[in-house]
Amino acid sequence: GQNIDQPTEMTATEGAIVQINCTYQTSGFNGLFWYQQHAGEAPTFLSYNVLDGLEEKGRFSSFLSRSKGYSYLLLKELQMKDSASYLCAVSPTNDYKLSFGAGTTVTVRA
Amino acid sequence: GAGVSQSPRYKVAKRGQDVALRCDPISGHVSLFWYQQALGQGPEFLTYFQNEAQLDKSGLPSDRFFAERPEGSVSTLKIQRTQQEDSAVYLCASSPRQTYEQYFGPGTRLTVT
Repeated sequence: GQNIDQPTEMTATEGAIVQINCTYQTSGFNGLFWYQQHAGEAPTFLSYNVLDGLEEKGRFSSFLSRSKGYSYLLLKELQMKDSASYLCAVSPTNDYKLSFGAGTTVTVRA
Repeated sequence: GAGVSQSPRYKVAKRGQDVALRCDPISGHVSLFWYQQALGQGPEFLTYFQNEAQLDKSGLPSDRFFAERPEGSVSTLKIQRTQQEDSAVYLCASSPRQTYEQYFGPGTRLTVT
């Protein structure tokens, strides 16, 4: 089976930075994904890492260490609209089916 | 352009009824995935199609669950003799050939009473 762990909840202040950690143990590895999901809505793609290192995309960055089975999503300059669930997912096979963690609910306070 | 659409958005079924959930992927997308998302959890993989071929159905929880994509476009997930534990949001996602980014639909919230 696949084991993907991330914290359940995080709270931060508008304008601050939050780092969401994800650790994984999977039977194979074909990439790690981060998705954002607002309550009652579809998950939307944020980032994809398949090689070690940091990928930066605007206010969001994602880091991967394959040897440690570890990733983080960094959200900078937090805005109220960033309040959502953030899902870490791994594709263990090359057909890109995803194994998701339970999600981290981020609450941004004024 | 149009994204992935799913219908109905909400479905209430009495235990024992059969239901059919529809997914319209983005036009031209080869890959189609179904996921089940319980409240407060991440989505769980159910099944995967490449065009009309169902290449992986390892996530279907029982033989009451059946999915098809006969013409390689629209897909239907059917659940027979629904049980309370089937209550969840069913998400459909599609992607172009051999790429990693999946585009999710809004989901169908199924409640079995």
